[in-house]
Amino acid sequence: TQLLEQSPQFLSIQEGENLTVYCNSSSVFSSLQWYRQEPGEGPVLLVTVVTGGEVKKLKRLTFQFGDARKDSSLHITAAQPGDTGLYPCAGANSGGYQKVTFGIGTKLQVIP
Amino acid sequence: DVKVTQSSRYLVKRTGEKVFLECVQDMDHENMFWYRQDPGLGLRLIYFSYDVKMKEKGDIPEGYSVSREKKERFSLILESASTNQTSMYLCASTFPGQGDNQPQHFGDGTRLSIL
Repeated sequence: TQLLEQSPQFLSIQEGENLTVYCNSSSVFSSLQWYRQEPGEGPVLLVTVVTGGEVKKLKRLTFQFGDARKDSSLHITAAQPGDTGLYPCAGANSGGYQKVTFGIGTKLQVIP
Repeated sequence: DVKVTQSSRYLVKRTGEKVFLECVQDMDHENMFWYRQDPGLGLRLIYFSYDVKMKEKGDIPEGYSVSREKKERFSLILESASTNQTSMYLCASTFPGQGDNQPQHFGDGTRLSIL
């Protein structure tokens, strides 16, 4: 079973601060997805990165896929209370059926 | 927008009961998945289905079974519920598409407590 390790597991920061969270594996993935999950709801896809070295931006969020396609990072600029939530990453492999392996997630709290 | 609907948000059952969790998606998706989510363990795949009447075991199928009689509906069955099956259960669906990059569309989850 391929494993995805996310760090840190918990992060509490003040509004306006920048932060970076990581998603690492010893395995290569064909693509990597980042989700955001709010309490009482299911995860919602933020972005998919496919190419090694790829960088994608979504407003204040910047996602990067490592050159070897084994790791990824999510950087948030000027965090806001609305960014509070769980951020699990998920790695996909060729093999059909759209199966992915999820990391535990980083639980982010942004304090006003 | 894709809509994945899980029949119950909260459910309380007793040890030994047979429990049914229902999931319906409205986008004609081929693939459907059942996960459980526990603190410190993240989302773990129980079973998935890639077509009507087709099913495949995920990483933790023990104690569970599934049913996919219609394309839009995927049911998770706890044959004889046990306390270690207390968890948040999440259903998801994807359209096959090209490659493996299709997003998982999740329902809002069923928080199941087994007493």
